[in-house]
Amino acid sequence: GAVVSQHPSWVICKSGTSVKIECRSLDFQATTMFWYRQFPKQSLMLMATSNEGSKATYEQGVEKDKFLINHASLTLSTLTVTSAHPEDSSFYICSARERPSGEQYFGPGTRLTVT
Amino acid sequence: SQQGEEDPQALSIQEGENATMNCSYKTSINNLQWYRQNSGRGLVHLILIRSNEREKHSGRLRVTLDTSKKSSSLLITASRAADTASYFCATESRQAGTALIFGKGTTLSVSS
Repeated sequence: GAVVSQHPSWVICKSGTSVKIECRSLDFQATTMFWYRQFPKQSLMLMATSNEGSKATYEQGVEKDKFLINHASLTLSTLTVTSAHPEDSSFYICSARERPSGEQYFGPGTRLTVT
Repeated sequence: SQQGEEDPQALSIQEGENATMNCSYKTSINNLQWYRQNSGRGLVHLILIRSNEREKHSGRLRVTLDTSKKSSSLLITASRAADTASYFCATESRQAGTALIFGKGTTLSVSS
């Protein structure tokens, strides 16, 4: 099946710094990628929808200036958490929608800890 | 945004027993999918049921879908300790290109 990778799998950063998370579709092209956030013992919450070559669409309550999303190619989307704070510590999961099937595949997630 | 609710929120059973989890959603859907997630790990896709299907089986899993009630159930038969995990339903709406929206999940604990 289609594979989506995320890098890094875990990261620890200091408060106030920025961290970039990559999401790659390894063996298919993805015109659309999605970013989710999951706090401990909670479900996945959609943060934003990213379409290749255009600006991301953010869900209500998600700060677009804090969570910068770039989808520069059909196989890569990046999420940059700017000026991270401890409350940004979470599990970030991306998914990619394969074209033309439309199936959505999930990455393994990135655990971010902000100290 | 979240689509709906799952119940129960937590379920504890003995090995060999069956586990049933329910999911309700709010909008019209193309399909509904169930995922498993072990603690701190990524998602594992279990099964997809389309809006025109009523029941689907995969190994020890049985999923039903009632679009009139906007609800689905996941039955795991003859449960094993390895089934201990969180289970989420996720819906794909009829609107093209939209993301899967997840329910709140059920935490299943199977003791041996």
